[in-house]
Amino acid sequence: GAGVSQSPSNKVTEKGKDVELRCDPISGHTALYWYRQSLGQGLEFLIYFQGNSAPDKSGLPSDRFSAERTGGSVSTLTIQRTQQEDSAVYLCASTPGRDGREYTDTQYFGPGTRLTVL
Amino acid sequence: AQSVTQPDIHITVSEGASLELRCNYSYGATPYLFWYVQSPGQGLQLLLKYFSGDTLVQGIKGFEAEFKRSQSSFNLRKPSVHWSDAAEYFCAVGAVSGGYNKLIFGAGTRLAVHP
Repeated sequence: GAGVSQSPSNKVTEKGKDVELRCDPISGHTALYWYRQSLGQGLEFLIYFQGNSAPDKSGLPSDRFSAERTGGSVSTLTIQRTQQEDSAVYLCASTPGRDGREYTDTQYFGPGTRLTVL
Repeated sequence: AQSVTQPDIHITVSEGASLELRCNYSYGATPYLFWYVQSPGQGLQLLLKYFSGDTLVQGIKGFEAEFKRSQSSFNLRKPSVHWSDAAEYFCAVGAVSGGYNKLIFGAGTRLAVHP
C-alpha cells in the first residue's frame, strides 16, 4: 500500500515568510510524528499526535513552529517568520498507534520536505 | 539525558567485505534500540529493532545487530557488503513517554562501498 507522503518535496522561501509543510500518514495509522534533520542538530523530534489526544509539542524549537492534524489524518507543520536556521529536511512518520503499546510500533517515515530559507 | 553516539562519521569498505557500524547509547532504563538506513533523497527505513529477549537481532537486507548492555552498545553488522548498501545509517534509542517513542538519533554513519 501507499506509504507516508509529504509535500512539497522541496521548498525555497525567503527569510521572514511563513511556510506550510504537509504530511499524509499511512491509511489507518493513528499516530503521527514530525522530526527535523539539519546539519547542525542531526535528527530531532519535533511533535507527536495520537488520535484526538493533546499533541506532545515538547520538541518544537520555538513558538514560530506549530502543527495541527485535521480529522486524525493529514498533518500540517507551519513555520512562521522563517529564519535561515530553519533550513532542514522535515520528516514525518506514522505508526498504527496501539493504545498503551505504541512504543513497540515501527515508525514509517516519509521522504521528507527539504526547506531552504534564503 | 538519553543520547546516542555513532563514533564513525564516514566508513568506506570494499564490496564483499564485512561491515560493523558502532553505536553507543545512554539511557536510564531498558532501552528500545533501532537501526535505520537512509538512501539519498529517501526517507528512513527501519533495518531492525531491539526491545527485549535475544540480544542478537536479525533485520532486513542481511543486517544484524547485537545488544550488549555491559557496553551500552548496539552495533550493526553485515557479513558481506553489497554496492547497494551505500547509504547513511542511523542508530536510535526510543525515549518512551506516555506509551510512545520519541526517537533519539545518533549523528549517522555514511557508508561508501568500493567495487
